[in-house]
Amino acid sequence: AQKITQTQPGMFVQEKEAVTLDCTYDTSDPSYGLFWYKQPSSGEMIFLIYQGSYDQQNATEGRYSLNFQKARKSANLVISASQLGDSAMYFCAMREKNTGNQFYFGTGTSLTVIP
Amino acid sequence: NAGVTQTPKFRVLKTGQSMTLLCAQDMNHEYMYWYRQDPGMGLRLIHYSVGEGTTAKGEVPDGYNVSRLKKQNFLLGLESAAPSQTSVYFCASSRQGPSTDTQYFGPGTRLTVL
Repeated sequence: AQKITQTQPGMFVQEKEAVTLDCTYDTSDPSYGLFWYKQPSSGEMIFLIYQGSYDQQNATEGRYSLNFQKARKSANLVISASQLGDSAMYFCAMREKNTGNQFYFGTGTSLTVIP
Repeated sequence: NAGVTQTPKFRVLKTGQSMTLLCAQDMNHEYMYWYRQDPGMGLRLIHYSVGEGTTAKGEVPDGYNVSRLKKQNFLLGLESAAPSQTSVYFCASSRQGPSTDTQYFGPGTRLTVL
């Protein structure tokens, strides 16, 4: 079974609008972390935001926020006020304590911001 | 502070040739990882290491070997390259834990096997 599922291969958003990128995860480990990474066309992987399984509040980092719904096992990334520079691939990942703190990645969502 | 570096950035091999990719980190991280990235597949873990002198298999280990003789270095070897190993290879490192600690990536190595 897939540990991380990203069902949106591609998304479009108008500049200055908000966009939500979906991520669902599968784990029975009570201790885990959820992460989002951005990969622009230049290829590097950039860490954006994380959410711990015990965190009570949704994580926020500037224009990025993580909509964490533990019961539904979803960790959607919300980007507010989209900018042209947000056009990139976005990967959701999970790190589980019980599997030796390995990371598991989704297949990614390609976001295009339209001027 | 260079973070995670990878050598080389690009390489073209012929089928059957061998090569070694070098990853180095200066953050004193215990854990290091090698991934490959193929279109539509996300990142797949090849091998990882939880400390100096230790290695473990990931999701797609066949055709690759690794070594971690020093804490700061993690080597990925291809003994006999195949066209199926054409990919972008990323190295990453992280602290041992907790599970909320992120990993930091190198810039990637683009490998083409003809």
